[in-house]
Amino acid sequence: DAKTTQPPSMDCAEGRAANLPCNHSTISGNEYVYWYRQIHSQGPQYIIHGLKNNETNEMASLIITEDRKSSTLILPHATLRDTAVYYCIVRPKNSGGSNYKLTFGKGTLLTVNP
Amino acid sequence: NAGVTQTPKFQVLKTGQSMTLQCAQDMNHNSMYWYRQDPGMGLRLIYYSASEGTTDKGEVPNGYNVSRLNKREFSLRLESAAPSQTSVYFCASNERQGLASGANVLTFGAGSRLTVL
Repeated sequence: DAKTTQPPSMDCAEGRAANLPCNHSTISGNEYVYWYRQIHSQGPQYIIHGLKNNETNEMASLIITEDRKSSTLILPHATLRDTAVYYCIVRPKNSGGSNYKLTFGKGTLLTVNP
Repeated sequence: NAGVTQTPKFQVLKTGQSMTLQCAQDMNHNSMYWYRQDPGMGLRLIYYSASEGTTDKGEVPNGYNVSRLNKREFSLRLESAAPSQTSVYFCASNERQGLASGANVLTFGAGSRLTVL
């Protein structure tokens, strides 16, 4: 699986957009980008994923560069409850019968300040 | 719908004691996983089970055993606990979202905090 690079920490003001970058320069054509987050003392939570097009759901938007070597997770209006560690992961598209393990790195600690 | 349930939530052991962490999911997922999380280390995969009846080692399997009891349950056993196994343990499960998306979305339990003295 391709490795990812994320800043160890970021700050954001409450109500502002939080933009979390991820570098995955060795990503291959069949690998998806996934984002999870982990609020303190809780289990990780899935946020969003994408292959090459930008994606949006009720939690966040995912912007993937045209060359797919980096992506940005956007929380449009960050709240104090968005303070968490955010993990960017890349993994190949599943094929029949293969395992489904995901490898988590150290992520980015996003602190939303009042 | 409970999702992924882990028991116990907290446990304190003495070195050399044994114990089993239990995990059950009610989403009819085929695959299940055990991770451990230590400060500054991110999540590391201990063992996983791609489907009922199969188990495989992950990144840090030493000192652990697993059992995929049935499709719902995946247990993690520490036969002789060591202080290095003090950690927070997370169980997770998943199923492909669909052939078209190829997505791989994990659902995690709330975690089991283990302290080995």
